[in-house]
Amino acid sequence: TAGITQAPTSQILAAGRSMTLRCTQDMRHNAMYWYRQDLGLGLRLIHYSNTAGTTGKGEVPDGYSVSRANTDDFPLTLASAVPSQTSVYFCASRERGGVEWTEAFFGQGTRLTVV
Amino acid sequence: GQQLNQSPQSMFIQEGEDVSMNCTSSSIFNTWLWYKQDPGEGPVLLIALYKAGELTSNGRLTAQFGITRKDSFLNISASIPSDVGIYFCAGHAPGAGSYQLTFGKGTKLSVIP
Repeated sequence: TAGITQAPTSQILAAGRSMTLRCTQDMRHNAMYWYRQDLGLGLRLIHYSNTAGTTGKGEVPDGYSVSRANTDDFPLTLASAVPSQTSVYFCASRERGGVEWTEAFFGQGTRLTVV
Repeated sequence: GQQLNQSPQSMFIQEGEDVSMNCTSSSIFNTWLWYKQDPGEGPVLLIALYKAGELTSNGRLTAQFGITRKDSFLNISASIPSDVGIYFCAGHAPGAGSYQLTFGKGTKLSVIP
């Protein structure tokens, strides 16, 4: 079972360069999310998408953009990377079961180092 | 936005001991989730709670949804070395169109054999 697949698993990126982190899910979940995880700060939401064709800003959206052209894919783009974007990035997805949202399922993460 | 206060931040315990951690919030949540993250992996769901007062077990793990809907705890009984990791609480707030999970900052658990 695949679930959520993120690529790449790790990357070293020069400051000022652009990069797209890929996320694909095969569970047909409507909602998808991008989080960054930093020591002592837990998981912080960058952007989200409730359904294909819509996106929204989370807690820390600056410097990042997303698109949701279809249900399965939710890429995260850094237009011009800066060292403060060094982090571990997690993609997640959820579905609404009845009146309640289900738990979030996470990918394995992308470790990004901006130098 | 909502904030979750998770404590303790870290714990060092002896193998076989019981562990307790909790999350509190100033606002109510209608779902509480507990995740575990192993090194180099994404968080994995341990227990989901959907009703105030609900007490749910999963093996050696027990979690409760506080009756005020502003807190939750996770207990681990008879800890073993593979319990090592970071434990996160997460909550889903009520409201029309509410989509967002709010995460605590995590409790890092170390188990001494």
